[in-house]
Amino acid sequence: EDKVVQSPLSLVVHEGDTVTLNCSYEVTNFRSLLWYKQEKKAPTFLFMLTSSGIEKKSGRLSSILDKKELFSILNITATQTGDSAVYLCAVEFRAGGTSYGKLTFGQGTILTVHP
Amino acid sequence: EAQVTQNPRYLITVTGKKLTVTCSQNMNHEYMSWYRQDPGLGLRQIYYSMNVEVTDKGDVPEGYKVSRKEKRNFPLILESPSPNQTSLYFCASSQVRLAPYNEQFFGPGTRLTVL
Repeated sequence: EDKVVQSPLSLVVHEGDTVTLNCSYEVTNFRSLLWYKQEKKAPTFLFMLTSSGIEKKSGRLSSILDKKELFSILNITATQTGDSAVYLCAVEFRAGGTSYGKLTFGQGTILTVHP
Repeated sequence: EAQVTQNPRYLITVTGKKLTVTCSQNMNHEYMSWYRQDPGLGLRQIYYSMNVEVTDKGDVPEGYKVSRKEKRNFPLILESPSPNQTSLYFCASSQVRLAPYNEQFFGPGTRLTVL
């Protein structure tokens, strides 16, 4: 069964801390892994990863994929209260004979950053 | 303004009364998808469409129908809603080109309650 597991499920830190969020997956015909941030509304796109070992970076956020060990991490350095959100990981793959486009999400990690 | 719109935003209905949630995008995107979000379960994909007249099942298609007669619209149909379909629903769209999920745009969400 295809699955995506995120850990930890929740995390509480103080401003300035660095956090690492994990996403592991078991899918067939993997194509890409995506990270989203969700505050009290619709998710917003952060990164898409397709190649192992290549870090994607945007400001204080960075992410890397390990296709051999089937996981990805999302790092946030110097956290701010505005980073408080649910972080979602999703994996795109091809199920059976269908085209690509099928997405399975993890349960999400709830990050709370205190001042 | 580039956007994905959903209607209605909130709906309370009764078991068995057919309903349609509309989704429309103005970005000429090929890919569109429906998700439901439930506490503790993250986002789960219901159906997706890579282009007009092409639709595929996601992880939780039971009890739902979709159609893609036009590129801009991707309605979600509940023929006979049941209380377990009470959820927050998101529609999303993106270009396909090299990879479907760069800049996947989400609609604002539809909160559905089935009594």
